[in-house]
Order: sequence, then structure tokens, then C-alpha cells
Amino acid sequence: AQTVTQSQPEMSVQEAETVTLSCTYDTSESNYYLFWYKQPPSRQMILVIRQEAYKQQNATENRFSVNFQKAAKSFSLKISDSQLGDTAMYFCAFSGSSNTGKLIFGQGTTLQVKP
Amino acid sequence: DAGVIQSPRHEVTEMGQEVTLRCKPISGHNSLFWYRQTMMRGLELLIYFNNNVPIDDSGMPEDRFSAKMPNASFSTLKIQPSEPRDSAVYFCASRRDFAEADTQYFGPGTRLTVL
Repeated sequence: AQTVTQSQPEMSVQEAETVTLSCTYDTSESNYYLFWYKQPPSRQMILVIRQEAYKQQNATENRFSVNFQKAAKSFSLKISDSQLGDTAMYFCAFSGSSNTGKLIFGQGTTLQVKP
Repeated sequence: DAGVIQSPRHEVTEMGQEVTLRCKPISGHNSLFWYRQTMMRGLELLIYFNNNVPIDDSGMPEDRFSAKMPNASFSTLKIQPSEPRDSAVYFCASRRDFAEADTQYFGPGTRLTVL
């Protein structure tokens, strides 16, 4: 069975600085997809970024980028130039072909951006 | 696009009462997912549908929970009878098709409190 682990329950960063959130996963599949979702206090789940496992190039969306290490089964999220609006809980999620597209979530990391 | 719509946003009920949560997926999406979020268990998938047909309901906690999708634009999650341990945020998400590559888009959630 696939598992997703986020080992940092809470993190904080000063505004305008860079922070990296960690995520590891376990799977025997070769083709799968990884996601980072953001959940602000409004509790809305918002897609931040996604990565296809077959792509070697790391995904980037504006200030958000990932470091995808397939052999190590690691999928970290880097937030550059942190903004107060980035304060939220961040979830790493896995979706593979064997589980027919179900999302398996990590426990989440609460990020606090300080002014 | 209106996004995934859920109602009600908040529900407070007494133990033993029937609760019905509603979801309208994004138009054109043919996969629909129900998730539950609690502090103890995090985000967990309850059931999902493809083309209105339930594909996997292994996450449904017990017989008190049931879900239906009578058409492509509407789904319900019913709890009867409700218990205090059912208190959680319930999310509905939809996806364009069954392929694992597609992103799931979440509704705003329904916060259920069972007294």
C-alpha cells in the first residue's frame, strides 16, 4: 500500500524568506503523480503544484517549486519570497494507477509566515 | 466556472439525527470523491464515483454512512443515525476524468458537528 509521510508538523518562516517542506512516499509503482495542496484557515483545499513521476524536470509554479527525487521517493516543496498569505497547512498527496486515482494524503505541515 | 459546490457549509445536529451533505461537481467532470478530515485521522477518502457509479466505498466507516450520485451534477452523503464521532469536515472533490493524471478540485467543505 502507498503511504505519504510529512515529518514536519509545524514550520515557520520570515516574510520574504525561503522555506522547504518535506514529503516522502512509498510505492512500488513506476507511474504516479504527486501533488501539494494548500489549506488556509478558510479550509478550502487549493492545488499548489503537481508532478508527474515520468518527468525528470521539477515542476514550478511562480514562487513554488518542487525537488522531486524519484529514487529517494522524496517530493519537497520550496516556497520562495514567502508571503503572509502563504500561511496555511500544506498537504502532500500521491495518486497512482493501482489505486485508480485516489489521493493519498500526508499528515500535513502547518506553515506560519511571520511579518 | 463555479467550482465544486457543497451545502450546507456548517451543520450542527444532535446525536441520532439524519444528516445529508450535498455536492455539485464542476460541470463536465465525471469523477467525484468524498473525503473526511479530522484531527486524529487527517484526510481520508470515503467513497468515489466515476460516471455516477460507485467505484470504491471501502473508506465508508460503517453502514450508517451512505452515498449516492443520481446524476452527473449531484451527489449526497448521508449519515443515519449520526454520532458525535462523526464530527468532522467533509469535502467533496471532482475530477475531469478517471485518469490518475487529472487534478482533483475540492469544494469548500461542510463542517459537521454532532452534539
